[in-house]
Amino acid sequence: GESVGLHLPTLSVQEGDNSIINCAYSNSASDYFIWYKQESGKGPQFIIDIRSNMDKRQGQRVTVLLNKTVKHLSLQIAATQPGDSAVYFCAETRTGGGADGLTFGKGTHLIIQP
Amino acid sequence: NAGVTQTPKFQVLKTGQSMTLQCAQDMNHNSMYWYRQDPGMGLRLIYYSASEGTTDKGEVPNGYNVSRLNKREFSLRLESAAPSQTSVYFCASSLERNEKLFFGSGTQLSVL
Repeated sequence: GESVGLHLPTLSVQEGDNSIINCAYSNSASDYFIWYKQESGKGPQFIIDIRSNMDKRQGQRVTVLLNKTVKHLSLQIAATQPGDSAVYFCAETRTGGGADGLTFGKGTHLIIQP
Repeated sequence: NAGVTQTPKFQVLKTGQSMTLQCAQDMNHNSMYWYRQDPGMGLRLIYYSASEGTTDKGEVPNGYNVSRLNKREFSLRLESAAPSQTSVYFCASSLERNEKLFFGSGTQLSVL
């Protein structure tokens, strides 16, 4: 079946550096992508989203890049802070119907080194 | 701002017992969902309700039932709990189907 996955289960970065978390998706019909952050003991929290008619979208300290040619999604976090330590999930869906909610990747654990 | 509220936060059951997880949202969202989260498996959809009055199976519906009580509330019932249902359960809602989800804080369920 089609699924959303992540390249690395754990990413360790130095505080203040930029973090890049990657995600590969296989469903070419997906047209809406979302990044979530999940801190320990909490529910996933929306970070940023992007639709397939865009290549890049920026938020506060975060940027999402979408490469539809290779079905790749990335989340860039600028100047990583201790509070960024969490598991990050990408999710995808088809907004035109035929999809049942969001399909989530298995997550990347971002660890911030002091 | 309450958002999505789930109860209880923790529950321990014996095999064969039943229980209902409650979920309510105050964002006037049309769609509601139940996911389970297991280590290494990510979030998997159990059931969802695209709109009030409708429910549909997700990826892992076996052993569960749901009720969309009204627009605000969506409950998940385990009729006869099994150890394989030990997991963290999340309720979520979205304005419309297949839009971004807002999650509750989760219910940690252990079935012994």
